Amino acid sequence: AQSVSQHNHHVILSEAASLELGCNYSYGGTVNLFWYVQYPGQHLQLLLKYFSGDPLVKGIKGFEAEFIKSKFSFNLRKPSVQWSDTAEYFCAVNVNTGGFKTIFGAGTRLFVKA
Amino acid sequence: DVKVTQSSRYLVKRTGEKVFLECVQDMDHENMFWYRQDPGLGLRLIYFSYDVKMKEKGDIPEGYSVSREKKERFSLILESASTNQTSMYLCASVGNYGYTFGSGTRLTVV
Repeated sequence: AQSVSQHNHHVILSEAASLELGCNYSYGGTVNLFWYVQYPGQHLQLLLKYFSGDPLVKGIKGFEAEFIKSKFSFNLRKPSVQWSDTAEYFCAVNVNTGGFKTIFGAGTRLFVKA
Repeated sequence: DVKVTQSSRYLVKRTGEKVFLECVQDMDHENMFWYRQDPGLGLRLIYFSYDVKMKEKGDIPEGYSVSREKKERFSLILESASTNQTSMYLCASVGNYGYTFGSGTRLTVV
C-alpha cells in the first residue's frame, strides 16, 4: 500500500540553524509531491509543490525541496530558520492509481527557539 | 482570493447527537475532501467527493456520512457522535495546483 513517512515528529532548532525535514514515500508510479505548513492557530497552506521538471523546487519563505526519484524522497530544506517558522509541516504525495488519491505524512512539528 | 469556509470553528456536542459540519468553497472545484487531524496521526481521509451527489469513502469512513447536493457545499455528518470522534476536522477543495484548506472545526464530544 502507498504510504508517506516523515522521519521526525518533533524538531527543535535555534534561530539561524539549517533545517532539513525528511519525507519518503512508497509508490512506484508517477507522483506529484507537496509540502504544506500549518502555523499555530492557522489553517494548512501550500508551501511548495513538484509536478515535473527541475527536481529542486523553491517555495515561499525561503523553503526549498529536492525530489530524488531513486530514493523516493522529497526532503524540505531551509538554510536559516526563523522563530516565525515554528509550525507543523506535512509532506503529501498525489498518486495515480486509476483515481485521484493524495496521501499525507503524519507531520513534523518544528519549534524554533528565539 | 480563493476561499474554503467551514461554518464553525469550535463545536461541543453530546454523545449520541447528530452533528453536521459544513464546508463551502468558491472556486468551482469538483473535488472536495474531509479529513480529521489528530496529533501524531497527521491527516486521515474520511470521505471525498468528485462531483455533485458523488462520494467515495476514504480511509476512516466509519461513523461518518457526507452530502454533496451542490457543487460548492460538502457536508460531513456524524450520525451519532462518540467521544472518539473528538478531533480537528478539515475540509479541502482541490484544483490543479493542490489543496486549499478551510480553517478547521475543532469538535469535542462529551
